[in-house]
Amino acid sequence: QKEVEQNSGPLSVPEGAIASLNCTYSDRGSQSFFWYRQYSGKSPELIMFIYSNGDKEDGRFTAQLNKASQYVSLLIRDSQPSDSATYLCAADNRGGADGLTFGKGTHLIIQP
Amino acid sequence: DTGVSQNPRHKITKRGQNVTFRCDPISEHNRLYWYRQTLGQGPEFLTYFQNEAQLEKSRLLSDRFSAERPKGSFSTLEIQRTEQGDSAMYLCASSLGGPEQFFGPGTRLTVL
Repeated sequence: QKEVEQNSGPLSVPEGAIASLNCTYSDRGSQSFFWYRQYSGKSPELIMFIYSNGDKEDGRFTAQLNKASQYVSLLIRDSQPSDSATYLCAADNRGGADGLTFGKGTHLIIQP
Repeated sequence: DTGVSQNPRHKITKRGQNVTFRCDPISEHNRLYWYRQTLGQGPEFLTYFQNEAQLEKSRLLSDRFSAERPKGSFSTLEIQRTEQGDSAMYLCASSLGGPEQFFGPGTRLTVL
């Protein structure tokens, strides 16, 4: 059974601080990992993906992958109130052939 | 708008009725996915098409569910004899062969 685990939160972070979101996965065959942002009542929006060990940066977002520990994280620098949303971590292990396995998401609240 | 579109956006039906949803993927995206999302959960994979071929189906896709992508463009998802447990957001996503998937706005189904 492939599983992706996330702390459901809520995670409360002051505006301007760094928000750190974490995710673990059970299937060592997972190849790519994705972070989606989902506002209440809306569909998931792709933020970024990572498939190599280490860090990947895109603007205020940094994804980190540690395959040995089966751990993925997302850092959001200079957090803004508009970053308040649920962040979904997802894993893929067949190049998209059987869909993504999602965690339940972490609810992030940025306090002004 | 060149994103994934889904229709209808909302559907209310009575238990036992049949419903059909439509998804139009991003132009030229050859892969199309259906997911279901309930409150507090991440999206759960239902089925996957590459062009017109349905290549993968989740165990979640009972016999009451059927999906088609007749010409490799738009797709339909039909639920027969709806049950209250079918109430959920039905999400469609598309990709251009890689693992990154882009979601449509979803169809929210309420079964009374």
